[in-house]
Amino acid sequence: GQSLEQPSEVTAVEGAIVQINCTYQTSGFYGLSWYQQHDGGAPTFLSYNALDGLEETGRFSSFLSRSDSYGYLLLQELQMKDSASYFCAVRDNTGGFKTIFGAGTRLFVKA
Amino acid sequence: DVKVTQSSRYLVKRTGEKVFLECVQDMDHENMFWYRQDPGLGLRLIYFSYDVKMKEKGDIPEGYSVSREKKERFSLILESASTNQTSMYLCASTSDSLYEQYFGPGTRLTVT
Repeated sequence: GQSLEQPSEVTAVEGAIVQINCTYQTSGFYGLSWYQQHDGGAPTFLSYNALDGLEETGRFSSFLSRSDSYGYLLLQELQMKDSASYFCAVRDNTGGFKTIFGAGTRLFVKA
Repeated sequence: DVKVTQSSRYLVKRTGEKVFLECVQDMDHENMFWYRQDPGLGLRLIYFSYDVKMKEKGDIPEGYSVSREKKERFSLILESASTNQTSMYLCASTSDSLYEQYFGPGTRLTVT
């Protein structure tokens, strides 16, 4: 079957660095995405990795290892506004642009 | 800015009713998706469409159908609503050349 595993909850303090891991098992793989969702809001796109390595976008970075079926989202200089849910998602290449989402990681940033 | 709109933010329906959820995007995207989101389960794909009049089942299509008569509009239909379909429904769109999906604000459906 297809599945993505990520921790359900992470807590960190303001200014710290936090890493949210994602392992996946899918029938096809085209790329790994990360989305952020604040309470009551819609998911918004953060990053995408199609190839191995690190992609950096400001305070956020995302890493992919295709051989390990593993990726992570790294959030630096945490701010209170980063408190949200973070979803990893795999774009499947076996059926158009079908995307499978993980269950999400709830990040709590404390002062 | 890409805009994805959904017909209602909140909807309350009775068991057995036929329910229509509408989604419209304004960026000429080829691909549109319907997800439901439940606590602890993330986003689960119900149906998606990669072209007008084309549709593909996602992971949980049972009890749902879809319609895409125009490129900008993708409708989700609950033929006979049941209480286990109480959920947040999210519509999304993307183009063939994009990685990211753009989501609508969601419709919180309650079936009583």
